[in-house]
This record gives sequence, structure tokens and C-alpha cells, in this order.
Amino acid sequence: QQQVKQSPQSLIVQKGGIPIINCAYENTAFDYFPWYQQFPGKGPALLIAIRPDVSEKKEGRFTISFNKSAKQFSLHIMDSQPGDSATYFCAASSPGAGSYQLTFGKGTKLSVIP
Amino acid sequence: NAGVMQNPRHLVRRRGQEARLRCSPMKGHSHVYWYRQLPEEGLKFMVYLQKENIIDESGMPKERFSAEFPKEGPSILRIQQVVRGDSAAYFCASSPPVRQVLQETQYFGPGTRLLVL
Repeated sequence: QQQVKQSPQSLIVQKGGIPIINCAYENTAFDYFPWYQQFPGKGPALLIAIRPDVSEKKEGRFTISFNKSAKQFSLHIMDSQPGDSATYFCAASSPGAGSYQLTFGKGTKLSVIP
Repeated sequence: NAGVMQNPRHLVRRRGQEARLRCSPMKGHSHVYWYRQLPEEGLKFMVYLQKENIIDESGMPKERFSAEFPKEGPSILRIQQVVRGDSAAYFCASSPPVRQVLQETQYFGPGTRLLVL
């Protein structure tokens, strides 16, 4: 049972466009939602994270929107650049039993074309 | 400013051999997580360790896989009698001690890519 569903699987945008990646979760115990960026052959790098008591968080060109009632959250990348071309993963965790294991979505491969 | 370190970066094993993957957490971090990533897939949690303790191994296969995080030295993920299906990228992540702000924030290493022939 996939607990975090991510869409789309792939996305192509023009430079300067605003790609939007969506995630939906099922487990209401989740209380921490990070986004990771991964380049080929590299490890995931933390981009931005949010908690359910906030509806939006912005860091630089990256914005998370969070809808607690719908159990959905999304990543927006403003003024996207070719260097943003990577795979993006949403994730979620809950502090159940003292373990903060992350449950990941399947990823979105973003291509930003010049 | 050393981040999470993993070695080896690439490992080739024949079926039936053992694979040992090492992870050194970020300085000051005492929590280590191991994840496995299959091609074109997201990461799947395997095990969570603190120094000398396994806290959560709910994602670890019951056979052939083991993990440790000794008092001194790196965390080790050990796969005995490897099979082709074990071929994947294995990532280690570390996080700060409990009671620090955002202790659930995890920082990932570059991964070990295991290929089983």
C-alpha cells in the first residue's frame, strides 16, 4: 500500500515556467513533509520542508503549499532554470514509536528546457 | 563541513557473496537511517539505528540483511549471500539527536550502488 502518491511521473517545462508537483498522503499521523531533489548518481538533497500547522512555506524559488483537510501538498518552482532539471521526491514522516522514517513518493522527473 | 559519507560508492558482487556498506553520519548526528532505491523508484526505508541500538527495523528483509551502528566507527549494512534482486542504490541518512529542533530532518549521503552479477 503506497502511503504517499506523487504526480506527475515526469514533467517538461520551458525555462522560466512554474512546474508544480503534487503529493497526497493517507496516514493522518504524518506531521512532517519534506521535499528532496536528486541528480543522477547523487544522493537526495533536502530542499524544503513543512509541518501541517502551516499552509504555505517559501524558500527562495521553492514554495510548498499544504492542504491538511485534503491531505495534499505540492511543490512549486518559480522561474525554473535548466539547472533545476532533476528528480524530485516528496516524503512524509510521523514520530510513531520514536522512529522518524521517511515514506517517499515515487518521484517526478523534471526537465527544464532552455 | 563533512556531510554524510558512504563507502564504497560502487560495489560489484557475485551471487552468494557478502556485501558490506559503510556510513559515517554528519558530525554531531547520532541517528542513522538506511534506505534502498531501485531504478526509477522512490526510496524505501530499511532500518533506523542509534549508537549500539536498532530502533526500527520494520523495513529490513528478515533474512540475509543486518545492520549495526557501533559505539565507535561507521554504521554497517551487511547483506549476506547476495542475489540479483539486491542490486540497487543504498542510501544512508543521518539526523541530529532527539530534543534538537527538527530532529526528524534527514541528510543523505551519496549512496552505494550495488551490482550483483
